[in-house]
Amino acid sequence: DAKTTQPPSMDCAEGRAANLPCNHSTISGNEYVYWYRQIHSQGPQYIIHGLKNNETNEMASLIITEDRKSSTLILPHATLRDTAVYYCIVRTSGSRLTFGEGTQLTVNP
Amino acid sequence: NAGVTQTPKFQVLKTGQSMTLQCAQDMNHNSMYWYRQDPGMGLRLIYYSASEGTTDKGEVPNGYNVSRLNKREFSLRLESAAPSQTSVYFCASSEAPGVGKNIQYFGAGTRLSVL
Repeated sequence: DAKTTQPPSMDCAEGRAANLPCNHSTISGNEYVYWYRQIHSQGPQYIIHGLKNNETNEMASLIITEDRKSSTLILPHATLRDTAVYYCIVRTSGSRLTFGEGTQLTVNP
Repeated sequence: NAGVTQTPKFQVLKTGQSMTLQCAQDMNHNSMYWYRQDPGMGLRLIYYSASEGTTDKGEVPNGYNVSRLNKREFSLRLESAAPSQTSVYFCASSEAPGVGKNIQYFGAGTRLSVL
C-alpha cells in the first residue's frame, strides 16, 4: 500500500471549513483513499473514501487531485466535536488498513 | 444496534498472567480485526479474520493468539502478559474485504495495563 504524509497538527476556528491535506505520491491505480478519525480515547470512525472522483457524504467532502497524488478532506463547518486525529489511508480493496500518525485537528471556539 | 462490543473496558494484569479480550459484532460482518494502539501512535494490526474459520497474522502478532469463535465473535488471548503489551486494544469488523464493503467499524477499546 502507498505511504501517506499528513501534517502532524492543524487548527481551525469553529464554524469555518477545515481542510486536511494528505500526500500520497506513490499511489497506484487500484488504490483507494480512505479517511478515518479518532476522537480522544474512542475507537476510530470511518468518514469517507474515494478512488478518483470527488466524494461527498453527510460528514465531509473528499477532493482528490487529477493525478491522484494528493487529496484533501473538507469538513465544511467544523464544530468543537470535530476535534480529533484524522487518518488518511491508501489501500487496495482487499488489503488491510494501515494507520499512520495522522493529523491532530483542534477546532477552537 | 450495538455495533462492535468489547469486554472488558479496563483491565490490570501482573506480568505472566493470562487473559482473553472479547469482541462481538451484531452487523453480520464477515471480517474481524484486532489492533493495538500505544500512546501517541497509530493503530497496528495484531490479527485478523477475513471470514469465519480463518485467521491471519497482522503486523504485530507475537505474544497473542486469536479465536474466531463464530461469525459474531473474535477473541484475543494473551497467554503470558508482559509490560510491553500495555496498550489500548481495538476490535473492528467489516462486511467483506471488497471495496465499499471493507469499511471497518470499531469498538470502544479495552485499556490494558500490565504491571
